[in-house]
Amino acid sequence: DAKTTQPTSMDCAEGRAANLPCNHSTISGNEYVYWYRQIHSQGPQYIIHGLKNNETNEMASLIITEDRKSSTLILPHATLRDTAVYYCIVKGSNYQLIWGAGTKLIIKP
Amino acid sequence: GAGVSQTPSNKVTEKGKYVELRCDPISGHTALYWYRQSLGQGPEFLIYFQGTGAADDSGLPNDRFFAVRPEGSVSTLKIQRTERGDSAVYLCASSLDRAGANVLTFGAGSRLTVL
Repeated sequence: DAKTTQPTSMDCAEGRAANLPCNHSTISGNEYVYWYRQIHSQGPQYIIHGLKNNETNEMASLIITEDRKSSTLILPHATLRDTAVYYCIVKGSNYQLIWGAGTKLIIKP
Repeated sequence: GAGVSQTPSNKVTEKGKYVELRCDPISGHTALYWYRQSLGQGPEFLIYFQGTGAADDSGLPNDRFFAVRPEGSVSTLKIQRTERGDSAVYLCASSLDRAGANVLTFGAGSRLTVL
């Protein structure tokens, strides 16, 4: 079973910040939080990951709460090309990433 | 190559037939993964290779599924006696083997349809 819960879908206006929440209340101390996205008919694409501290790269920012039980992925200026399913993942045993159903993010013009 | 390449992109076969799906990982990536994705769901782990050996094959659903990576680069997923329930997109991913991180680069997938 997925170790994360995410809203099924979200809308965001083009040019605005998209904030995608994720709950991972059973996360262990050494488990990273990963975010991937999947644009229709393509393979998943890595976005960002973090352990405790907030992270930022050219694609997004990741905000992890102090208790690590939830996180938020922020796309600062969403474009139509950001429409995709976004997956929040906590690493499972060994090298398995356990994926849930993700959040379908629709960017509207 | 620059990315992970999977062939064929689409495969339609009849129930009971044998199928092979190929994955060309990013050059230098020692870790290779196979996932399966059904419509509307997230990818489901099948098998992980570290070099030539299968380090974790716990996700293979049954003994009809088998994967090899004989030279530590290209991998082939083999499905015997296909069933309609095997219809899905089969995703391959590769990564540098770094402890504590799972930054995977995925291919576009092979869509398998079993009639």
